[in-house]
Amino acid sequence: EDQVTQSPEALRLQEGESSSLNCSYTVSGLRGLFWYRQDPGKGPEFLFTLYSAGEEKEKERLKATLTKKESFLHITAPKPEDSATYLCAVNVAAGGTSYGKLTFGQGTILTVHP
Amino acid sequence: KAGVTQTPRYLIKTRGQQVTLSCSPISGHRSVSWYQQTPGQGLQFLFEYFSETQRNKGNFPGRFSGRQFSNSRSEMNVSTLELGDSALYLCASREVTTMNTEAFFGQGTRLTVV
Repeated sequence: EDQVTQSPEALRLQEGESSSLNCSYTVSGLRGLFWYRQDPGKGPEFLFTLYSAGEEKEKERLKATLTKKESFLHITAPKPEDSATYLCAVNVAAGGTSYGKLTFGQGTILTVHP
Repeated sequence: KAGVTQTPRYLIKTRGQQVTLSCSPISGHRSVSWYQQTPGQGLQFLFEYFSETQRNKGNFPGRFSGRQFSNSRSEMNVSTLELGDSALYLCASREVTTMNTEAFFGQGTRLTVV
């Protein structure tokens, strides 16, 4: 069974204190790994897509990386507005019709204090 | 471009009733997926529709059903509501290409069953 595990469950940082969130996965045939940000009471907001090991993507203070077993979301010099739940999701190869199915991790709740 | 629109935003229903939720995808997106989000289980895949056909189904009882119309709009129906169906229901739309493209989520419908 495909599994996605995110750690830590919660992370509290001071403004400017850089850190990383982890997403480890056990799947057969990764098609893509996706990072989302979710604010309370809202739908997930798309951040990054990673397709193959070694790939990296950056956006403002965020950088996502991918290996064969895990992905990291690095947050450099975070600000209070970066506080949110960060979700990792995978899409796996399970026949030609499986593109629309995402399997999510439980998320990491990030709180950045001023 | 307008985002994914879900209506209504909030619903309160009584056990045993049925409910219909609506989702309008981003213009040009032909794939629509539905997810259930609860504090205990996180985000779980319900089903995906493409070209008015259900392509993928998650592990939910038959009380959960959906459909897609020719304009790609989708509806989700839950019959014989149970207390455990209380959740945030999210719709995501995706542009279908040869690549595994990212899904964009709506704001969700918060369903409370009493």
